[in-house]
Amino acid sequence: SQQGEEDPQALSIQEGENATMNCSYKTSINNLQWYRQNSGRGLVHLILIRSNEREKHSGRLRVTLDTSKKSSSLLITASRAADTASYFCATDHNDYKLSFGAGTTVTVRA
Amino acid sequence: DAGITQSPRHKVTETGTPVTLRCHQTENHRYMYWYRQDPGHGLRLIHYSYGVKDTDKGEVSDGYSVSRSKTEDFLLTLESATSSQTSVYFCAISDLAGENAGYEQYFGPGTRLTVT
Repeated sequence: SQQGEEDPQALSIQEGENATMNCSYKTSINNLQWYRQNSGRGLVHLILIRSNEREKHSGRLRVTLDTSKKSSSLLITASRAADTASYFCATDHNDYKLSFGAGTTVTVRA
Repeated sequence: DAGITQSPRHKVTETGTPVTLRCHQTENHRYMYWYRQDPGHGLRLIHYSYGVKDTDKGEVSDGYSVSRSKTEDFLLTLESATSSQTSVYFCAISDLAGENAGYEQYFGPGTRLTVT
C-alpha cells in the first residue's frame, strides 16, 4: 500500500530559487529514500536517510527526517532547468520492499 | 540504468492476448521488482522476487504472473491483457549495498504497454 504522500503535487519555481517538497508516511520506517524521475525515464535514487538520522546532504540536496511527525522534506537549492522532474519519496519498513508516494512534479522556469 | 534492460520498450496489443515483458540485469542483485506507473498513483508494486524461483505478490497482482528461472531475468506475464492494464511498467533491482545500508532500488527504462 502507498505509505509516502508527497506535498505539494506540483511546484513551479524560477531558476536559482529553492524547491521544497514534503513526504508524510503512516508507519515506522527503517529508512526513507528520495528518487527523481525525468520525463519518460526510470526512477533514479537520490538519497537515503536512516530512521536515526535527522538531516542529510548530497550536493544541492538537503533531506530532513522527523520520525515523531512521520515526515520528511527534500530541499533542492539553487535550482536549475535540469532539476525539472518528478520527485518521489519511498519508505522502507525494514524489508526489501519500498512503498512509493505519488510524487511531486517540479518545473524550473528559465 | 545500472545494468538493467527491459524488453520490449513499447508494445501495443489487443484485449485478451497474452503479453510477456522481460527484465534483464547484469548486476547480480538478489531482489527484483515489477511496478506499474499510472497518473495519480505513483508506482505500485505488482510482484517481486527475492531469489531464483522465489516470488511473491505485491499490492496490484491480480491479472499478472511472474517467473524467475535465472538470477538475471524476471518475466512479467499478462495472461489475458485488459484495457485496465494499459500502463508504463518498470522493473527494478536491489540488494544491500553494505553494512547499515538500505535496499536502494535501481530502475530500468520502462515498457509502455497499450491494450486496445
